[in-house]
Amino acid sequence: EVHLVESGGGLAQPGGSLRLSCAASGFTFRSYEMNWVRQAPGKGLEWVSYISDGGFTIYYADSVKGRFTISRDNAKNSLFLQMNSLRAEDTAVYYCARDRYHGSGTFDYWGQGTLVTVSS
Amino acid sequence: EIALTQSPATLSLSPGERATLSCRASQSVSSSLAWYQQKPGQAPRLLIYDASNRATGIPARFSGSGSGTDFTLIISSLEPEDFAVYYCQQRYYWPRTFGQGTKVEIK
Repeated sequence: EVHLVESGGGLAQPGGSLRLSCAASGFTFRSYEMNWVRQAPGKGLEWVSYISDGGFTIYYADSVKGRFTISRDNAKNSLFLQMNSLRAEDTAVYYCARDRYHGSGTFDYWGQGTLVTVSS
Repeated sequence: EIALTQSPATLSLSPGERATLSCRASQSVSSSLAWYQQKPGQAPRLLIYDASNRATGIPARFSGSGSGTDFTLIISSLEPEDFAVYYCQQRYYWPRTFGQGTKVEIK
């Protein structure tokens, strides 16, 4: 059974940093493209970042470009999101989500999410 | 960036009734559209991919249609567990974008 478990969320000050992790199990992680999607409190879903299966192709939403860095460790079945220069508007639940198949752009499995709160 | 506009914002219906949800894209996204269901405190769940294909384990009462700019999700007969928020999402262009959601609530 596919499982995605996020961790690393918490309270950060504006301008601060956090590193999110997503532990994957139940599938061949190195064969799947992965994403981060976030949801501000009471709001809709916003795609944040994508990384290809080998980690060589990466995309970001304009709202986080230059501040967030996505990466993965296929040997450890893990996905990461390094979040720097955090702003209040980055406050959200962050989900890792798997692409249904190579290049699909459709998210078939999601983690339970980890809450990031940016506040002084 | 492709904007997805969902309507209505809220749909008030009774169990057993038919729900019709709409998603309109600002440019053609071909058939590259998915629908997700989200219940409070839970992660989204994939319902429909490529406009009309049900994801694994999704009941037949959920159906999707459309192409280009206009898409529809139909729930043929609402079950109590179907009251939730529904999002559409396009995968045709970067960045991937979602609609703002339609809440299906109990009347």
